[in-house]
Amino acid sequence: EAGVAQSPRYKIIEKRQSVAFWCNPISGHATLYWYQQILGQGPKLLIQFQNNGVVDDSQLPKDRFSAERLKGVDSTLKIQPAKLEDSAVYLCASSQFEGLGDTEAFFGQGTRLTVV
Amino acid sequence: EDQVTQSPEALRLQEGESSSLNCSYTVSGLRGLFWYRQDPGKGPEFLFTLYSAGEEKEKERLKATLTKKESFLHITAPKPEDSATYLCAVHPYNNNDMRFGAGTRLTVKP
Repeated sequence: EAGVAQSPRYKIIEKRQSVAFWCNPISGHATLYWYQQILGQGPKLLIQFQNNGVVDDSQLPKDRFSAERLKGVDSTLKIQPAKLEDSAVYLCASSQFEGLGDTEAFFGQGTRLTVV
Repeated sequence: EDQVTQSPEALRLQEGESSSLNCSYTVSGLRGLFWYRQDPGKGPEFLFTLYSAGEEKEKERLKATLTKKESFLHITAPKPEDSATYLCAVHPYNNNDMRFGAGTRLTVKP
C-alpha cells in the first residue's frame, strides 16, 4: 500500500515570499490533515478536511495560510507571505474515517521549511 | 483546556535496560489516546490507540497502558533500533483537534 506522499521534502525561502506544499493521501482515505511541527514540539493541527470539505481550521492563521483539497483527493497548503516563525516541518496525514479517534492516521515524511 | 505532558523529555538507556515513558493528560472526555514513534526526518508512525482506562496493548518490546489521567509506554529490553522520539496524543470528544505532547526522545546505547 502506497503511503502519504508529500513534496517538496525541503524548502528554503526568504521572509515575505510565498511557498506551497503538496500532499497526496493514501487512496480511499476520506480525511486529510495538515500539521505544523516546530523543532522540539509535537505536531499542531492546522486544518482537517473530510473529502473536500473543511472540518476544522480553527488553528490555521488565515491571514497568511490557505489550504484546499480539490476533488477530495490531493491537497495543497500555501503560505503567503512567509514569516521567520513559519520555519517548521509541515506534515500531511490521512485516515480512513472521520476523526482520528476512530482509526489511526498515516503521516507523510513532511516538508521542512526554512524561512530566512 | 486540553493538555498533554510527556516525561521525561529525554531518556538514555543501555540496551536491555527496561523503562517507561509517561504521558499525562487533561481532557474533557477522551475519545482516544494515541502513541506514535517518530524517527529523525520522518513523519510520525502509528503504534497504538487506547480508548478506555485499564486497556493495554502490546507490540514487540512495547506495551501501552491507560488510566483516567495518564498513559505509560513500557519498553522491555530495548534495542538500539528503538531509539526515536515517542509522541503521545489525545483526541477529545468535543472537537476534532488531536493534541500532541512534545514527545520523549529515547536513545538506546549498545
